[in-house]
Amino acid sequence: AQKVTQTQTSISVVEKTTVTMDCVYETRDSSYFLFWYKQTASGEIVFLIRQDSYKKENATVGHYSLNFQKPKSSIGLIITATQIEDSAVYFCAMREGDSNYQLIWGSGTKLIIKP
Amino acid sequence: EAAVTQSPRNKVTVTGGNVTLSCRQTNSHNYMYWYRQDTGHGLRLIHYSYGAGNLQIGDVPDGYKATRTTQEDFFLLLELASPSQTSLYFCASSDGTANTEVFFGKGTRLTVV
Repeated sequence: AQKVTQTQTSISVVEKTTVTMDCVYETRDSSYFLFWYKQTASGEIVFLIRQDSYKKENATVGHYSLNFQKPKSSIGLIITATQIEDSAVYFCAMREGDSNYQLIWGSGTKLIIKP
Repeated sequence: EAAVTQSPRNKVTVTGGNVTLSCRQTNSHNYMYWYRQDTGHGLRLIHYSYGAGNLQIGDVPDGYKATRTTQEDFFLLLELASPSQTSLYFCASSDGTANTEVFFGKGTRLTVV
């Protein structure tokens, strides 16, 4: 069965440091796509970054990057040089290649950036 | 830029009341979705649609109806609202391909008293 698990409920780090948020997934498909979204304090949900299962290179967008470990079914989100405005809830999600509608969501990790 | 607009942003209704949540997207996307978000449950899919007149059942459809009147407009209907439906509701759209992101509206906070 498809499943996405984020075990870290909350993480707190000091500004300007690097943080990693964990996500593991379960799928039987050989082709799938992994997404990270950010939900701000206002409630808005925005897309951050995507990893395609067939790509070996880790995706990078701005100060977000992914640590894709396919044998471990793991897709960690790395934020470098964190800023106060990175404080938010981060969701990991997966869509299988033959599923054109359903994203499977993790439960989210709350990130707190302290000055 | 992709846009999904929800209305109202906040709504309070009484138990047994009738509520309609509205969503319009200007992305020319085929797929539209309704999610609810509750503490401890993350995002749960209620209904979705892949075009005008089409409706598909999601993971938590009980107590909800939906209707897709045009490619742009998707409505969520609660005909006999219950306190268990107090939640934050999100509408979203996507072009339906597996490797593209979903675009979300800003959410509607519904309280059933």
